[in-house]
Amino acid sequence: GESVGLHLPTLSVQEGDNSIINCAYSNSASDYFIWYKQESGKGPQFIIDIRSNMDKRQGQRVTVLLNKTVKHLSLQIAATQPGDSAVYFCAGSGGGADGLTFGKGTHLIIQP
Amino acid sequence: EAQVTQNPRYLITVTGKKLTVTCSQNMNHEYMSWYRQDPGLGLRQIYYSMNVEVTDKGDVPEGYKVSRKEKRNFPLILESPSPNQTSLYFCASSLSGPRGYGYTFGSGTRLTVV
Repeated sequence: GESVGLHLPTLSVQEGDNSIINCAYSNSASDYFIWYKQESGKGPQFIIDIRSNMDKRQGQRVTVLLNKTVKHLSLQIAATQPGDSAVYFCAGSGGGADGLTFGKGTHLIIQP
Repeated sequence: EAQVTQNPRYLITVTGKKLTVTCSQNMNHEYMSWYRQDPGLGLRQIYYSMNVEVTDKGDVPEGYKVSRKEKRNFPLILESPSPNQTSLYFCASSLSGPRGYGYTFGSGTRLTVV
């Protein structure tokens, strides 16, 4: 089965710096990936997604990079703010209704 | 406001006492799903439903039941809860499946089984 995981359980960055959160996946048939943000006491919120026919996708202050060769994706957050403090999950899908497999999450901590 | 509403937010119960966690969405979504979230294991899918009267097992369905009699409601039923079902539960819904921006999660139900 598919395995999706994050490299680090905790990432601490200075406010204003850029954050990079990494994720690896095992299933080469995965064709769609999503990054979610989960704040304390809330459910996951969609941040950005990317399909396997793309290498990079940009949103507002966020960029997702996909390297299919090494089965790796990353989430970059520019100019990190206190409101970015949360747990970030990557999720992968090979299609189908039951398709999302979630990683274990990285807790992003913002230092003032 | 478009949302997925779960109740209760917190629940402490005893082993073997049947319980139901309700989930309701007001977005006319066809697809609904239940997840449990455990430390070190991330989010794992319990059951999902593509439409009314259509439900399927996810990755961890043992010990759970669901029903989808109406489009807006998707209750999670624990017929005989056990301590290993202590977890944080999330309901989610979308127009047609878990892929994409429209996949919306509820705020969660923290269940403790003693």
